[in-house]
Amino acid sequence: RKEVEQDPGPFNVPEGATVAFNCTYSNSASQSFFWYRQDCRKEPKLLMSVYSSGNEDGRFTAQLNRASQYISLLIRDSKLSDSATYLCVVNYYGGATNKLIFGTGTLLAVQP
Amino acid sequence: DAGITQSPRHKVTETGTPVTLRCHQTENHRYMYWYRQDPGHGLRLIHYSYGVKDTDKGEVSDGYSVSRSKTEDFLLTLESATSSQTSVYFCAIMGDRSNGNTIYFGEGSWLTVV
Repeated sequence: RKEVEQDPGPFNVPEGATVAFNCTYSNSASQSFFWYRQDCRKEPKLLMSVYSSGNEDGRFTAQLNRASQYISLLIRDSKLSDSATYLCVVNYYGGATNKLIFGTGTLLAVQP
Repeated sequence: DAGITQSPRHKVTETGTPVTLRCHQTENHRYMYWYRQDPGHGLRLIHYSYGVKDTDKGEVSDGYSVSRSKTEDFLLTLESATSSQTSVYFCAIMGDRSNGNTIYFGEGSWLTVV
């Protein structure tokens, strides 16, 4: 079983739709969580951190469920420019170790 | 911009030749990472460094070595390149806790081994 798992998609949605991605992680010692966005042939870029209480940034909402070990990303009112791959990232650290584990990504294609 | 540059950005090399990729940061961050990204596998950690001369292996370290002789540079070496090492390589640095331990990536190095 992979340490971080995501549905690879693709998710094909019309403009204006609401779409949600989930990500599960296996290491209960994981301490920080992030969503990254990656455009084709570009580097991943931080979209948002995920906090225990849930957090929102404009049309994007992230939530964490530690008991069930999953995080989610909700995108409201999808735009064409939201088309990208969304990577779930889990960080755990202790001592000298500070490791980030990436999911394989979920591909979103927003259609006009 | 996070102040990370990778070089070379693109390289084609022959099987069996050594290759070194360089990652340079201007942020003075302690943690630096090398990942490779391949279809179906996502980003996989090759090696990472938690300080000058302090490095450790990631999940796909076979065939790779690294060196960090100064804070700003983290070198990834393929001692004898193989076709299975054709990939895009991303260097990353980790910000400090005030930035929530956020990781920032370089623009990537596309390596083709023929």
